[in-house]
Amino acid sequence: AQSVTQLDSQVPVFEEAPVELRCNYSSSVSVYLFWYVQYPNQGLQLLLKYLSGSTLVKGINGFEAEFNKSQTSFHLRKPSVHISDTAEYFCAVSGVYGSQGNLIFGKGTKLSVKP
Amino acid sequence: DTGVSQDPRHKITKRGQNVTFRCDPISEHNRLYWYRQTLGQGPEFLTYFQNEAQLEKSRLLSDRFSAERPKGSFSTLEIQRTEQGDSAMYLCASSATGSPYNEQFFGPGTRLTVL
Repeated sequence: AQSVTQLDSQVPVFEEAPVELRCNYSSSVSVYLFWYVQYPNQGLQLLLKYLSGSTLVKGINGFEAEFNKSQTSFHLRKPSVHISDTAEYFCAVSGVYGSQGNLIFGKGTKLSVKP
Repeated sequence: DTGVSQDPRHKITKRGQNVTFRCDPISEHNRLYWYRQTLGQGPEFLTYFQNEAQLEKSRLLSDRFSAERPKGSFSTLEIQRTEQGDSAMYLCASSATGSPYNEQFFGPGTRLTVL
């Protein structure tokens, strides 16, 4: 079984400042890792995913994340945030083998970007 | 590509009533997932279809819940004898089969309020 822990429920930050949203996972098997964003009253949108290969993955809207197997982490970063990045961000995992692809999500981190 | 659609977007019902939600996946996607998202939590997996076959159900899916995908296209999720604890956002996602992993595209969700 897998689980995901998002260490911060809320992250306030000023516009143009850098941000890191933290995610740790637990799994006895190899996993795929994802970050999704949810804007108010909208569904989830995939920001980026790690399947294999390079541990630094780049996604949409200038976000990137680094997979660290030894620390079982997949933190999301952006060097300079905009007001429009205000949203809730979810980290998720899916087992590589024996999985039908269903996602296990963390509880989410609300990013609030202030002018 | 019209994306995943869900109907209705909002549903208010009284405790004890039955409700039914509909999900229309992206047309060429043969996998369909249902998730439930309660306040302050990430989405939780409920059930999964490949074409018309329901292949996996979470223990969260009590006997009051039933899901169908009769022709391998749209899906319905019915909740019988609703309880206040059923109040949540119900999310549908679809994906295509293939390897190594196919992105799940989420609909906007149906928000259920049980009074």
